[in-house]
Amino acid sequence: ELKVEQNPLFLSMQEGKNYTIYCNYSTTSDRLYWYRQDPGKSLESLFVLLSNGAVKQEGRLMASLDTKARLSTLHITAAVHDLSATYFCAAPKRIYGYALNFGKGTSLLVTP
Amino acid sequence: EAGVAQSPRYKIIEKRQSVAFWCNPISGHATLYWYQQILGQGPKLLIQFQNNGVVDDSQLPKDRFSAERLKGVDSTLKIQPAKLEDSAVYLCASSSGTQPYEQYFGPGTRLTVT
Repeated sequence: ELKVEQNPLFLSMQEGKNYTIYCNYSTTSDRLYWYRQDPGKSLESLFVLLSNGAVKQEGRLMASLDTKARLSTLHITAAVHDLSATYFCAAPKRIYGYALNFGKGTSLLVTP
Repeated sequence: EAGVAQSPRYKIIEKRQSVAFWCNPISGHATLYWYQQILGQGPKLLIQFQNNGVVDDSQLPKDRFSAERLKGVDSTLKIQPAKLEDSAVYLCASSSGTQPYEQYFGPGTRLTVT
């Protein structure tokens, strides 16, 4: 069964800086998802990556997928305080399946 | 379009008591999931329904947890009897069953077992 590992688990960064969150998964997957969770809130879908080399961008966040390396990255450009949240990556438990296995999450704090 | 609805939002019970959670998925979504999220961790799948049939319940503690989706729409998740380690947020999600199989999550039910 697919396992998902994220790093770092905690990230404190200054406003205006750039950083990357890494997501590794253990077996072949056809999809990779990124979610955001604010404290006490539910999960909000950020990106769905469907193919090798896929890149998606929304505002200051850009996600990419390398299926050969079993690696996805979430890059943060010029961070602002509003990006403070926990970010999860997830992949289907089984290839072509629906149910997701999640990483432990990266807790991001952006400070002035 | 209305999102995934869950109730109650919060529940506090004593250990060995029973509790039930309710979920109403997005209209037309055939696939429904229940996840358990323990504080500081990512969500863990408990059970997946396709219409009213169970697809995956491999991580559901069946000695105490049960779930049903009788008419292929609403679902209930029950815990009986509850243990301290069941304290968590229970998230319901639904998806349409078409690519990219995106899951939409409800607000969750925060359960505290004392």
